[in-house]
Amino acid sequence: EVQLLESGGGLVQPGGSLRLSCAASGFTFSSYAMSWVRQAPGKGLERVSAISRSGGSTYYADSVKGRFTISRDISKNTLYLQMNSLRAEDTAVYYCAKKGDSSSAGYYFDYWGQGTLVTVSS
Amino acid sequence: SYELTQPPSVSVSPGQTASITCSGDKWGDKYACWYQQKPGQSPVLVIYQDSKRPSGIPERFSGSNSGNTATLTISGTQAMDEADYYCQAWDTSTVVFGGGTKLTVL
Repeated sequence: EVQLLESGGGLVQPGGSLRLSCAASGFTFSSYAMSWVRQAPGKGLERVSAISRSGGSTYYADSVKGRFTISRDISKNTLYLQMNSLRAEDTAVYYCAKKGDSSSAGYYFDYWGQGTLVTVSS
Repeated sequence: SYELTQPPSVSVSPGQTASITCSGDKWGDKYACWYQQKPGQSPVLVIYQDSKRPSGIPERFSGSNSGNTATLTISGTQAMDEADYYCQAWDTSTVVFGGGTKLTVL
């Protein structure tokens, strides 16, 4: 059974930092691209970052570029999101999401974690 | 940047058919997928590659994609289907989500 378990969220002051983790199990972690998708309170979904299977290629939304860093540790089956210079508008539930079968056309997320809440406030 | 437009809300009576649309330029050139999200829960994939259902998703969920519109159809809608639904596309290496549609079953 595929499981994605996020941790690391919490309350942080503007300008502060947090590191989110996503522990993956139930599939070959190194074989799938992974993403972080966030959802501000009462709002829609936004993919903020993604990383390739090997970790050699990354993507960042303009809204977080230069402030967030995505990484993965294959030996620990864990995905990370280092978030620096946090702003009030970064307040959201952050989900890690697994990309669907690479042999399939299109790009979709077939599994999502339960999410971890990040609140940026003084 | 690529944009996907969904109606904010759709209402349906139990047992009837609900259709949720997602408009985008040249949708037919891209694959659509759909997610269901119930209050306080994570999104769940219900349709991918326009019309395929993941294992465990009921047959009453179906999808289509033509021209500039992708459509999620729920046949014989049940009260448990009340949720927010998001369409999603892949365009020039970017994942794009629609704004979401709240489906009310009343």
